[in-house]
Amino acid sequence: NAGVMQNPRHLVRRRGQEARLRCSPMKGHSHVYWYRQLPEEGLKFMVYLQKENIIDESGMPKERFSAEFPKEGPSILRIQQVVRGDSAAYFCASSEQGDQPQHFGDGTRLSIL
Amino acid sequence: KNQVEQSPQSLIILEGKNCTLQCNYTVSPFSNLRWYKQDTGRGPVSLTIMTFSENTKSNGRYTATLDADTKQSSLHITASQLSDSASYICVVRISGGYNKLIFGAGTRLAVHP
Repeated sequence: NAGVMQNPRHLVRRRGQEARLRCSPMKGHSHVYWYRQLPEEGLKFMVYLQKENIIDESGMPKERFSAEFPKEGPSILRIQQVVRGDSAAYFCASSEQGDQPQHFGDGTRLSIL
Repeated sequence: KNQVEQSPQSLIILEGKNCTLQCNYTVSPFSNLRWYKQDTGRGPVSLTIMTFSENTKSNGRYTATLDADTKQSSLHITASQLSDSASYICVVRISGGYNKLIFGAGTRLAVHP
């Protein structure tokens, strides 16, 4: 049983480029959560999606950030026109139902030059 | 404001020694509290989960306590091993609705030989 898979594990972008982070949930899980972790800080909630629907995006910046979880394929966190402050580790978690425990992937470390 | 605070921020102990990590939270309404272990470069992995009515829960050499009155929790690690070197994160789930989690910043533990 594969766990939550995130790719790429490391991503380097120049300021102004776009970053796409992918998350494949555990088999049978239809709920996906994205978190951001800055150095020396705890994980901060960004967005919660259930297949094809955004349930809660209260933690996601309104500009430049978007997330989707299509019917087929992985969930995508997209950051447009990246800035230095976007450098962080981005973690994805999935759960079978909305009230079930979340299982985490190993994250994507985004570095902005 | 929902918050989880952990102390100490970092800790160094010798192999074989015990240690206790602290967590204070102001999260309401409270559902449960988990301790996670996060190895460098990896995602968080759940160690213990405690609900409102539970005072103590053990998982091998890890023992978590919860005082719901004072809103404090601790994680005690017995007979530490080099592999215990990691960040330990206290996470509180908000009751009601979906799986909304509030993360502490973690305690970074280093076990030296």
